Amino acid sequence: QSVLTQPPSVSAAPGQKVTISCSGGSSNIGNNYVSWYQQLPGTAPKLLIYDNNKRPSGIPDRFSGSKSGTSATLGITGLQTGDEASYSCGTWDSGLSTGVFGGGTKLTVL
Amino acid sequence: QVQLVQSGAEVKRPGASVKVSCKVSGYTLTELAMHWVRQAPGKGLEWMGGFVPEDGETIYAQKFQGRVTMTEDTSTDTAYMELSSLRSEDTAMYFCATGPTVTADGPNWFDPWGQGTLVTVSS
Repeated sequence: QSVLTQPPSVSAAPGQKVTISCSGGSSNIGNNYVSWYQQLPGTAPKLLIYDNNKRPSGIPDRFSGSKSGTSATLGITGLQTGDEASYSCGTWDSGLSTGVFGGGTKLTVL
Repeated sequence: QVQLVQSGAEVKRPGASVKVSCKVSGYTLTELAMHWVRQAPGKGLEWMGGFVPEDGETIYAQKFQGRVTMTEDTSTDTAYMELSSLRSEDTAMYFCATGPTVTADGPNWFDPWGQGTLVTVSS
């Protein structure tokens, strides 16, 4: 059971927008920055968003992040078939002194 | 640009130990904060431990304390993760990844990641 809670799956049509939620608590999301990762089948995770809403160099602005209280959200606009992947949120848990992740959300682009 | 290349897949018997390596290029290991994350088949990511700059030392997730050892060979810029007393539940892909070198509390992002090393524990 993951410390952070994500929906198991989401789906949307090409060109549409989708959001993926990540819910935690005061010791993790509530007091630390959130990051998001994309994991294509059979590959290592790739950092998409860090510090709640910053994009590393090379990540298109179709990807965005936000945080409110103890929840965070990843948004993807202009969906492409190549966006089909698993998306995971992560942060630090100050109470557990542990890095924590969500269970991952599988995105299907119909 | 940092690149991380991990050692190859391993098959181990229950009770054995495994040591996975992660070779750094583009930077020296002393400039980085290395972490290890694993992912069991069909499951989410799980942080095992790593160097926390605020603490100035490597710390381990409580779940793995006593079974995991993370070391570094700065002469070859290679990090190692050794997990002992293996059981079937340890079957997973193991990743090395670098975290921030300045933190207010602990690492809240990891980038880049190694390609992963599959460890299979089976009798």
